Amino acid sequence: GAVVSQHPSWVICKSGTSVKIECRSLDFQATTMFWYRQFPKQSLMLMATSNEGSKATYEQGVEKDKFLINHASLTLSTLTVTSAHPEDSSFYICSARAQSGVLLEAFFGQGTRLTVV
Amino acid sequence: RKEVEQDPGPFNVPEGATVAFNCTYSNSASQSFFWYRQDCRKEPKLLMSVYSSGNEDGRFTAQLNRASQYISLLIRDSKLSDSATYLCAVQSSARQLTFGSGTQLTVLP
Repeated sequence: GAVVSQHPSWVICKSGTSVKIECRSLDFQATTMFWYRQFPKQSLMLMATSNEGSKATYEQGVEKDKFLINHASLTLSTLTVTSAHPEDSSFYICSARAQSGVLLEAFFGQGTRLTVV
Repeated sequence: RKEVEQDPGPFNVPEGATVAFNCTYSNSASQSFFWYRQDCRKEPKLLMSVYSSGNEDGRFTAQLNRASQYISLLIRDSKLSDSATYLCAVQSSARQLTFGSGTQLTVLP
C-alpha cells in the first residue's frame, strides 16, 4: 500500500516554544491530507484538512493561529504547534488518501508524540 | 449525538473466544466504512473495509446494516496477538473519516 511518513516520531519541548511536524506521502501525490490528534484512551479527532496550494480547513474548536498548517507541495504537509502548552501534549497523526482498488484508502503516518514541559 | 459511537470496552476474553464489536453512525448518507486496528502508541492500520454484503477475511468478519446504521466486527478463535484497540471509521460525502472512540480488546492466555 501507499506510504505516509511522519516525523519526528516524538518530541519534547518547553512551554512557549513551537514545534513543526512533517507529513510526507512517499510514493503518491496527496492533494489533501488530514491531521488528527489523539489523547490517551480517546479516539482520533480530526483537527484540520490540509489542501495543497490553499488554506487548510479547520474543525470547530481548533485554533488556526495556534495550529499552523502548510501544504506547499503535493507530497508534504506540515503542522506547526505554536506557543505550545502542556495541554497540547498529545499524539498527532497525519493521514492521506490513496486509491487502493476501488476504494479510497486512508494511510497514516507513524504519529508524533508531543510532550510539552 | 456523536457521529460515530462505539462501545469503549474493555473486552477481556480468553484465547479462542469469539468477540464482536459494534459501531453505530448517525449520518445516513455515509458512504464507506472501515475497521482499523491500533496498537498502543502506534498509528491505526486498516484491518478491513466493510461492504454491504458483508465480508470475511480469515477469522475476521465485518458486516454493515444500513437500515439500522451500524457496522460490526466479529473475531473468531481470538489470539493473544489480537489484543489491540479496534476503531471503526465512517467516511462522509466530504471524504473525511470519522472515527469511533475505539474498543480495547485484551485476549488472555
